[in-house]
Amino acid sequence: KAGVTQTPRYLIKTRGQQVTLSCSPISGHRSVSWYQQTPGQGLQFLFEYFSETQRNKGNFPGRFSGRQFSNSRSEMNVSTLELGDSALYLCASSLGTSGSSYNEQFFGPGTRLTVL
Amino acid sequence: QKEVEQDPGPLSVPEGAIVSLNCTYSNSAFQYFMWYRQYSRKGPELLMYTYSSGNKEDGRFTAQVDKSSKYISLFIRDSQPSDSATYLCASGPGYSSASKIIFGSGTRLSIRP
Repeated sequence: KAGVTQTPRYLIKTRGQQVTLSCSPISGHRSVSWYQQTPGQGLQFLFEYFSETQRNKGNFPGRFSGRQFSNSRSEMNVSTLELGDSALYLCASSLGTSGSSYNEQFFGPGTRLTVL
Repeated sequence: QKEVEQDPGPLSVPEGAIVSLNCTYSNSAFQYFMWYRQYSRKGPELLMYTYSSGNKEDGRFTAQVDKSSKYISLFIRDSQPSDSATYLCASGPGYSSASKIIFGSGTRLSIRP
């Protein structure tokens, strides 16, 4: 079974630009979560999608947004990039069929975003 | 105080040693406990997934949860250089949302050949 895939793997952007990151979950997984990982803050929850609906959003500004498609694939978008947005953006998928299954998350390799 | 605390290390041990990685948590509602391994520039890989208290063994890895002291441990036996990575602990209450899962900051482990 294929794992979680994320594209692109690396991105370099300049301040003020916008970026779209893509995530394909494990087949059959309906829940997709996004995280930002930085050396100083660790893993921080961005948002979570289930059946095309955003269920929860972390404490990030409105410049961060996302969506999920009917095939469970998800995208996240960051507009008006700032230097502090440089990070590894991780997507995780889980079955989402029960309370316990949400804890068993499988991460993709991440997209490393560098903002210059 | 963070809900999940983890010593950042780095921790350096010789090959073949038994490694003990630890976390503490503060939320009594946490029922699920996970350990992830993350190699440099890669995504976290789920190593162990346990429910409630007790031990779970998988090969050279043993996860231990003591809910009375809110202590989570991961033991690695016969450590190998390939075990060198950052290990993240995580805990969650089991609600129908991934947003409640809290991750530790990670412990960097280095196994010396």
